[in-house]
Amino acid sequence: GENVEQHPSTLSVQEGDSAVIKCTYSDSASNYFPWYKQELGKRPQLIIDIRSNVGEKKDQRIAVTLNKTAKHFSLHITETQPEDSAVYFCAASIGNNAGNMLTFGGGTRLMVKP
Amino acid sequence: EAQVTQNPRYLITVTGKKLTVTCSQNMNHEYMSWYRQDPGLGLRQIYYSMNVEVTDKGDVPEGYKVSRKEKRNFPLILESPSPNQTSLYFCASSWDASYGYTFGSGTRLTVV
Repeated sequence: GENVEQHPSTLSVQEGDSAVIKCTYSDSASNYFPWYKQELGKRPQLIIDIRSNVGEKKDQRIAVTLNKTAKHFSLHITETQPEDSAVYFCAASIGNNAGNMLTFGGGTRLMVKP
Repeated sequence: EAQVTQNPRYLITVTGKKLTVTCSQNMNHEYMSWYRQDPGLGLRQIYYSMNVEVTDKGDVPEGYKVSRKEKRNFPLILESPSPNQTSLYFCASSWDASYGYTFGSGTRLTVV
């Protein structure tokens, strides 16, 4: 099955700096890559996603890039703010009629210091 | 309000006592799924369902059962809970396989 690895496991940045989280996946059939943010004690919430026909996607201060050849994708957060502090999860899915078998990475704890 | 509702939020039970965690969504989503979250292990999929009466195993199905008799409901059943099933459980739903899941608020289960 799919295996998703995520790095780093913890990341500490100064407010205003950029943060980058990287993920690799093993199944070349995966074609859907969402990112989730989980604040302490809360549910994971979808913040951005990318599909395999696109190399990059941006939404205000966050962006995702996808390199299908290398089987890795990244989350970029610019101008970080204290409210960006949370655990971020990447995920990968084959996303076809066989089911939505979404496999998650191990998570990155991002701490933004004021 | 569009949401995924899980109950209960917290549950402490004893080894071997059957329990059910309910999950309901009001978004008419086809896909539903159960995840468990453990420290250092991230989110692992237990079971998922593509539609009514269609379910399949995820990564960690042992010790769990599910059913999907109605589109909106997807209960998780632990027939004989054991301490290693102590975890935070999330139910989630999505439109189809190429859309992200919407998660419920979670159920923190402790088996003693």
